[in-house]
Amino acid sequence: DTAVSQTPKYLVTQMGNDKSIKCEQNLGHDTMYWYKQDSKKFLKIMFSYNNKELIINETVPNRFSPKSPDKAHLNLHINSLELGDSAVYFCASSHLGQGYGYTFGSGTRLTVV
Amino acid sequence: ILNVEQSPQSLHVQEGDSTNFTCSFPSSNFYALHWYRWETAKSPEALFVMTLNGDEKKKGRISATLNTKEGYSYLYIKGSQPEDSATYLCAPHWANNLFFGTGTRLTVIP
Repeated sequence: DTAVSQTPKYLVTQMGNDKSIKCEQNLGHDTMYWYKQDSKKFLKIMFSYNNKELIINETVPNRFSPKSPDKAHLNLHINSLELGDSAVYFCASSHLGQGYGYTFGSGTRLTVV
Repeated sequence: ILNVEQSPQSLHVQEGDSTNFTCSFPSSNFYALHWYRWETAKSPEALFVMTLNGDEKKKGRISATLNTKEGYSYLYIKGSQPEDSATYLCAPHWANNLFFGTGTRLTVIP
């Protein structure tokens, strides 16, 4: 009955590989997000997506792409992985609008070797 | 990208003490201010969402106030308990996204 679930929890992969992280929410939320926790433990927005609009943080390399098969899923696909991509990635969801809190997944720790 | 500052960065208090920390953010184009509690090895958990100047919200021993005109919010914890140990994040809501501060790491010493 997990509200926002991410898989895998841990991912170790080599440089240059392509990988995906999956995220699913069962809360009926219409907006989903990807955040990256950087080396200073700072949560930075990467993408937000609802059924109308994809908003991309312009600092995110285009090797990162969100894919949403339906409004309950927002997967993160990463091409040509680099060492600097190692981080913890968090998925979140909410109702659209500033008055709603976000529900976060438990995070995916990506290690690129 | 919004400039969100939280202070102090870390804080140690004795069990039973009350404490508070600050979040400051740009006051222009304000929409909402969120507070989250983030325990180690878990995911951030929403505490409060505040939208109006002068808002005050309370959940048990934790409360928060908001001043949108000057761009700050305070989080208060009354009678701190060891289970309150966590990082407390504030996040202004802007352009359909949350922009998180670096957090205040609270450790409550039994």
